[in-house]
Amino acid sequence: AQSVTQPDIHITVSEGASLELRCNYSYGATPYLFWYVQSPGQGLQLLLKYFSGDTLVQGIKGFEAEFKRSQSSFNLRKPSVHWSDAAEYFCAVGASKAAGNKLTFGGGTRVLVKP
Amino acid sequence: NAGVTQTPKFQVLKTGQSMTLQCAQDMNHEYMSWYRQDPGMGLRLIHYSVGAGITDQGEVPNGYNVSRSTTEDFPLRLLSAAPSQTSVYFCASRKTGRNSPLHFGNGTRLTVT
Repeated sequence: AQSVTQPDIHITVSEGASLELRCNYSYGATPYLFWYVQSPGQGLQLLLKYFSGDTLVQGIKGFEAEFKRSQSSFNLRKPSVHWSDAAEYFCAVGASKAAGNKLTFGGGTRVLVKP
Repeated sequence: NAGVTQTPKFQVLKTGQSMTLQCAQDMNHEYMSWYRQDPGMGLRLIHYSVGAGITDQGEVPNGYNVSRSTTEDFPLRLLSAAPSQTSVYFCASRKTGRNSPLHFGNGTRLTVT
């Protein structure tokens, strides 16, 4: 069975500093990987996704993520955080193209941004 | 463009009561799904549907029923609410194409006392 681990429950970062959110997955075949962001009281919005090809993926809002098969990781990064990036971030894995609808989510990482 | 619309936004039920959470999308998406979100557990799939008339169970289906009579609507029914069903519920939809992302509604916060 596929699983996703986000080791950090909370991260506090100063505005303008860099941010990295960790995501480790467990799946036997090639995973389909996603990062979503959830602002308070809102649904989830897709930041970026990886299906194949270039292992460095660019997303919206200045985020990027790197797929590292050897480490079973898909960490999310942003070079300079803005106050509006305070939110909860979820990593998710889909088992296959067709089953990509059935996503398994990590527990989430809440990001707090200090002025 | 309304996207995915969930109603109600908030609901309080007593143990044993029944209710239906509504979900509608206007994007002609074939796939629709229901998740529940609990602290520290991310989102867990309850039920999903790949088209009208077709539904299947997800990771945590017990206590919930669904039906899909139209492409647009995918209601979630709680037949006899339990405190363990206190959660935030999200409906999501997408087209079945490989690169199509999930579109989420804004959620329904349910409390069962």
